[in-house]
Amino acid sequence: GAVVSQHPSRVICKSGTSVKIECRSLDFQATTMFWYRQFPKQSLMLMATSNEGSKATYEQGVEKDKFLINHASLTLSTLTVTSAHPEDSSFYICSARSEGDGYGYTFGSGTRLTVV
Amino acid sequence: QKEVEQDPGPLSVPEGAIVSLNCTYSNSAFQYFMWYRQYSRKGPELLMYTYSSGNKEDGRFTAQVDKSSKYISLFIRDSQPSDSATYLCAAFTGGGNKLTFGTGTQLKVEL
Repeated sequence: GAVVSQHPSRVICKSGTSVKIECRSLDFQATTMFWYRQFPKQSLMLMATSNEGSKATYEQGVEKDKFLINHASLTLSTLTVTSAHPEDSSFYICSARSEGDGYGYTFGSGTRLTVV
Repeated sequence: QKEVEQDPGPLSVPEGAIVSLNCTYSNSAFQYFMWYRQYSRKGPELLMYTYSSGNKEDGRFTAQVDKSSKYISLFIRDSQPSDSATYLCAAFTGGGNKLTFGTGTQLKVEL
């Protein structure tokens, strides 16, 4: 089946620095990828929709200047958390839709970001 | 009102029990329905994918969709401790549209 690889799985950074998270579709091409944020014991909150070759579409309330998304190829989307603060600490997950996998959305394994 | 409603649980069952997980939704435009399993600190794993109304079976898992009542279910037969996880229902309208998730039900299967 379709596989989405997300890296790193865990990252700790200092307040004020930037962190980049990568999301790759390993065996399929994804024109659209999605970035989610999840707080403990809560469901996934969609942050933005990443479109290959064009600007991302952000959900209401998500700061586009803080969460920079780049979808430079059909297999790679990146999320950069800029000038991170402790309140940005969370679990970030990407997903992509594979038409060859029953049209289901496949998720990465997630990145736990801790800002100290 | 959320577009997809799901009882957060927690739900605790003995090993071997049949588990029934349910969601309701309000958007009539939803055509595709999914169930995901999420272990702690991991990304969601697609379990079942269903288009429109009907049943779909895969091993110990059965997904049901009743569009007339806007009700979706996941049944787990012969539940195992390894099934202990959070189960998320999700729906979307089609194309490249975004998924809408339920809040997730935490399931614990006890020995």
